[in-house]
Amino acid sequence: EVLLLQSGGGLVQPGGSLRLSCAASGFTFNYYAMSWVRHPPGKGLERVSAISANGGTTYYADSVKGRFTISRDNSKNTLYLQMDSLRAEDTAVYYCVKGGDGPYADHPHYYFDSWGQGTLVTVSS
Amino acid sequence: QFVLTQSPSASASLGASVTLTCTLSSGHSRYDIAWHQQQPEKGPRYLMKLNSDGTHIKGDGIPDRFSGSSSGAERYLTISSLQSEDEAEYYCQTWGNGIREVFGGGTRLTVL
Repeated sequence: EVLLLQSGGGLVQPGGSLRLSCAASGFTFNYYAMSWVRHPPGKGLERVSAISANGGTTYYADSVKGRFTISRDNSKNTLYLQMDSLRAEDTAVYYCVKGGDGPYADHPHYYFDSWGQGTLVTVSS
Repeated sequence: QFVLTQSPSASASLGASVTLTCTLSSGHSRYDIAWHQQQPEKGPRYLMKLNSDGTHIKGDGIPDRFSGSSSGAERYLTISSLQSEDEAEYYCQTWGNGIREVFGGGTRLTVL
């Protein structure tokens, strides 16, 4: 069974930093691309960032480019999202998401087939 | 720009069937999509990958009541024998290099 166990998050002031972690199990982590998706209150889902299976290719939404950094440690089966210079509009529930099975499983642009439990990030003074 | 369009809301009666639609923008009718369900106060759950030819691969444990189909630029999610727990937001998702908005706006399904 695929499990994506998230940690981190919480309340932070504007301009502050947070790091989210996602511990993966139940699948061969280094075979799959991973992503972070957020759900702001009252809005729809937004893909924030993605990383290829080997970590060599990353993607960032324009709204977070230059402020967020995605990374992974395949020896620890863990995905990270470092969030700096946080803004009120970054307030959302953040989800760790696994890329789907198929010929492009290692590619950062593919479908999602498993979701973490979500973690709330609140940016407020 | 590649856009996925979903109706904001839909409703159907308990025990009935409902079909939700995700429309791919012009010139992108051959793209595959995935459907995800988000029940109230819960995280999203992957339902299925739906190919442009209508074939689909469902996630583990997804009931047979959920099925997908395709026609041109339309991708459908049909839920039969509606149950109260099917009341949720349903999102379609696509992918590809250069595609920035990968999710549709979501359809909120109300079970009457």
